[in-house]
Amino acid sequence: EPEVTQTPSHQVTQMGQEVILRCVPISNHLYFYWYRQILGQKVEFLVSFYNNEISEKSEIFDDQFSVERPDGSNFTLKIRSTKLEDSAMYFCASNLDSFTDYGYTFGSGTRLTVV
Amino acid sequence: GNSVTQMEGPVTLSEEAFLTINCTYTATGYPSLFWYVQYPGEGLQLLLKATKADDKGSNKGFEATYRKETTSFHLEKGSVQVSDSAVYFCALSASQGAQKLVFGQGTRLTINP
Repeated sequence: EPEVTQTPSHQVTQMGQEVILRCVPISNHLYFYWYRQILGQKVEFLVSFYNNEISEKSEIFDDQFSVERPDGSNFTLKIRSTKLEDSAMYFCASNLDSFTDYGYTFGSGTRLTVV
Repeated sequence: GNSVTQMEGPVTLSEEAFLTINCTYTATGYPSLFWYVQYPGEGLQLLLKATKADDKGSNKGFEATYRKETTSFHLEKGSVQVSDSAVYFCALSASQGAQKLVFGQGTRLTINP
C-alpha cells in the first residue's frame, strides 16, 4: 500500500535554528498538507499546497514557516527560527484530489524538539 | 467556523466490552466525517469515513453513522480487544475548498485484558 514518508522521525534543534522537515507524498497525489500536534493536544492544520502554491494556511502558519515542493517528489516544511513552542509532532499528508471520498494518507510524523 | 468536539478521555475498558466514543460537530454546508486512529508511536491512520447524511462508515469492527439531525458521528465497537488501545480522533472536512481536516481533541482508549 502506498505510503507517505517523513524524515527524520525525530529532530532536536536549538532555539533560533532553522529546521527543514521532509516528506515524500504518494506519487500520484496532488494535494499536500502539514499538520502539527503539540504533545497531548489536538491535531492542528498548518497549510495546504496545490499546484505549486499554498491554497490555505492557518493563523499558526506565520512568516517563520514556509513550504516548498523543490522537485517532483519532496514536500518540505521549513521553520526559519525555531521557538520552544514549536516543539510538536509534525505530520505530512497527501490527497489524490479535492474530493474527500479518497481520504487523506498521513505520514508517521517528525517529532521536533526545540531546546 | 467548523469544529469537532469529542468526549473527554481517557477511556478504560475491559476486553470484549462495548465501546462508544461520542463525537459532535459544527459545520456549514455538508462536511465529510472521519475517524482516525493513532497507535502508540505511530502516525494517523484513517479508520472509517462517511461523506453524507445517514452513511455508515465501518472498518475492523468499528462503525459510525453520520447523523445530520444531531450533528453527530459516534464511534462504536461491539467487542473491543487489547489491540484497540490507541488514541481516536474524530475529524471533519468541509464540502468545498482545500479539504483541510478539523480534528477533535482525541480520546485515549485503553483496553485491559
